[in-house]
Amino acid sequence: GAGVSQSPSNKVTEKGKDVELRCDPISGHTALYWYRQSLGQGLEFLIYFQGNSAPDKSGLPSDRFSAERTGGSVSTLTIQRTQQEDSAVYLCASSPQAAGELFFGEGSRLTVL
Amino acid sequence: RKEVEQDPGPFNVPEGATVAFNCTYSNSASQSFFWYRQDCRKEPKLLMSVYSSGNEDGRFTAQLNRASQYISLLIRDSKLSDSATYLCVVNSPAMRFGAGTRLTVKP
Repeated sequence: GAGVSQSPSNKVTEKGKDVELRCDPISGHTALYWYRQSLGQGLEFLIYFQGNSAPDKSGLPSDRFSAERTGGSVSTLTIQRTQQEDSAVYLCASSPQAAGELFFGEGSRLTVL
Repeated sequence: RKEVEQDPGPFNVPEGATVAFNCTYSNSASQSFFWYRQDCRKEPKLLMSVYSSGNEDGRFTAQLNRASQYISLLIRDSKLSDSATYLCVVNSPAMRFGAGTRLTVKP
């Protein structure tokens, strides 16, 4: 069956540009997470969507970061006015329940020049 | 204080060794605990859940100490294929990851 799909797999952009990263979760999964992982570092929590509840945005590092989840399915993470320190792998994960196993996509590698 | 703290290692052990990882968490209301494994340049994958009474899966044993707010993972008879980064995960209520502990098992 289809797993979590993320696009683009690689994105190179110039400082100051906006980028959008997309996540297609596993069908029927109610929970969706975005994480950021810099080289050699752990997973930094960004945002969490659970069903129709208000998202937990407590991990977003600045107001340049935002995310939405349309129709309880596809999610888009937007980074405005990108900075070099935004360079990282952005991982999306979905889960069939609030505190269940996370299924990860392969990530979107963002490089800001 | 970070939500989830984990010894970053690295741990370098010979084949057949027993190795233990610990992880502490700050939210006493947390109810769900996991260990994930991440291979180099790959996404994390669930290794095992951690139950209150402790649980075992082959060579792997996970334990939870709610009073001290830590979880542990024990790997017995380590194999070369166990080389990876091990991440503890705690719901708080969003799923929060520790920084990961890198394990290298050498022949």
